[in-house]
Amino acid sequence: EVQLVESGGGLVQPGGSLRLSCAASGFTFSISAMNWVRQAPGKGLEWVSTISDSGASTYYADSVKGRFTISRDNSKNTLHLQMNSLRDDDTAVYYCARRGNNWSSFDYWGQGSLVTVSS
Amino acid sequence: QSVLTQPPSASATPGQRVTISCSGSNSNIGSNNVNWYQQLPGTAPKLLIYSNNQRPSGVPDRFSGSKSGTSASLAISGLQSEDEADYYCAVWDDRLNGVLFGGGTKLTVL
Repeated sequence: EVQLVESGGGLVQPGGSLRLSCAASGFTFSISAMNWVRQAPGKGLEWVSTISDSGASTYYADSVKGRFTISRDNSKNTLHLQMNSLRDDDTAVYYCARRGNNWSSFDYWGQGSLVTVSS
Repeated sequence: QSVLTQPPSASATPGQRVTISCSGSNSNIGSNNVNWYQQLPGTAPKLLIYSNNQRPSGVPDRFSGSKSGTSASLAISGLQSEDEADYYCAVWDDRLNGVLFGGGTKLTVL
């Protein structure tokens, strides 16, 4: 059974940093591209970042480029999202998701991790 | 405001058929596969349709997708109360080099 379990969310002050992790199991993590998608309270889905299976290629939404870094550890089946210079509008539930049949097809999702940016 | 345009809401009665549209441009829908997600209240999104018209295993055939030019549609036939959810289209955009989500459509089963 495919499982994705996010951790690392919490309350952080504006300008602060936080690192999210996503533990993957039930599939061959090292051959799967992975993604982060977020959802602000009461709002729609927003793609954040994608990383290729090897980690060699990364992609970011303009809203987080230069502040967030996606990475992965294939030896530990773990995906990370390092978030720096956090702003109020980064407050959201952050989901990790596995790439499916195409680059915007996410076939498995975690339960989400809430990040709250507030003073 | 999203680059992919969806109606904010839709409604129908049980048993009816409802369609949700997703309008984009040549750099996204016009040149890439469209996917649809269903998000029930308080839960993570679920892949409903991938590659324009393909259903993942376990998704009822009441759900179908189509694409024409720079627009796509999700159709739900034989509407059931449990279909009440938010629906999102998603597609890769070649100009932005990233994934776009539509703004979402809240479906109400009357």
